[in-house]
Amino acid sequence: AQSVTQPDIHITVSEGASLELRCNYSYGATPYLFWYVQSPGQGLQLLLKYFSGDTLVQGIKGFEAEFKRSQSSFNLRKPSVHWSDAAEYFCAVGTASNTGKLIFGQGTTLQVKP
Amino acid sequence: EAGVAQSPRYKIIEKRQSVAFWCNPISGHATLYWYQQILGQGPKLLIQFQNNGVVDDSQLPKDRFSAERLKGVDSTLKIQPAKLEDSAVYLCASSSQGSGYTFGSGTRLTVV
Repeated sequence: AQSVTQPDIHITVSEGASLELRCNYSYGATPYLFWYVQSPGQGLQLLLKYFSGDTLVQGIKGFEAEFKRSQSSFNLRKPSVHWSDAAEYFCAVGTASNTGKLIFGQGTTLQVKP
Repeated sequence: EAGVAQSPRYKIIEKRQSVAFWCNPISGHATLYWYQQILGQGPKLLIQFQNNGVVDDSQLPKDRFSAERLKGVDSTLKIQPAKLEDSAVYLCASSSQGSGYTFGSGTRLTVV
């Protein structure tokens, strides 16, 4: 069965520190992988996506993620966190590139300390 | 371009009442989705439409939930009768091959 696991429910980092959010997936075919961010009361905003090719993908707001097939992981990283990055982050695996069902992890809440 | 529009933003109802949510997707997006996001969880797909046909409704509780997408444009999701466990944010999204997914801001439903 397809599934996504985000092991960390809540993470706190200091402003300016680096960030890594973990994501592991289980999917039988070639995965289409996504990271979304959700601020309180808002919808989901796409940070980045991986379909194929270079396993290190760049996204918006200075985020990047690396696809590691051997580890079934797609971890999200940012070198220096800003207070405005505080939000909930969701990893998702899709059944197709742009028009398919998304299966989400349970999310990681990021708190940024001043 | 305009985003995915959803209404209402908030709704509070008593259990056993009925409620309906509306979604207007991005113009030209053939695929429309309804997701349910319970507090502390990731969104879960309820139903996917391709134009006005249903592609996937395997996780839609059909004894109480219904959805339609007349004319392949906007869509309505209904719950009748509502239960306490239906309290959640209901997210609508639309997508196309060229542009990918766009989510609406959601409707927050509280059942008391």
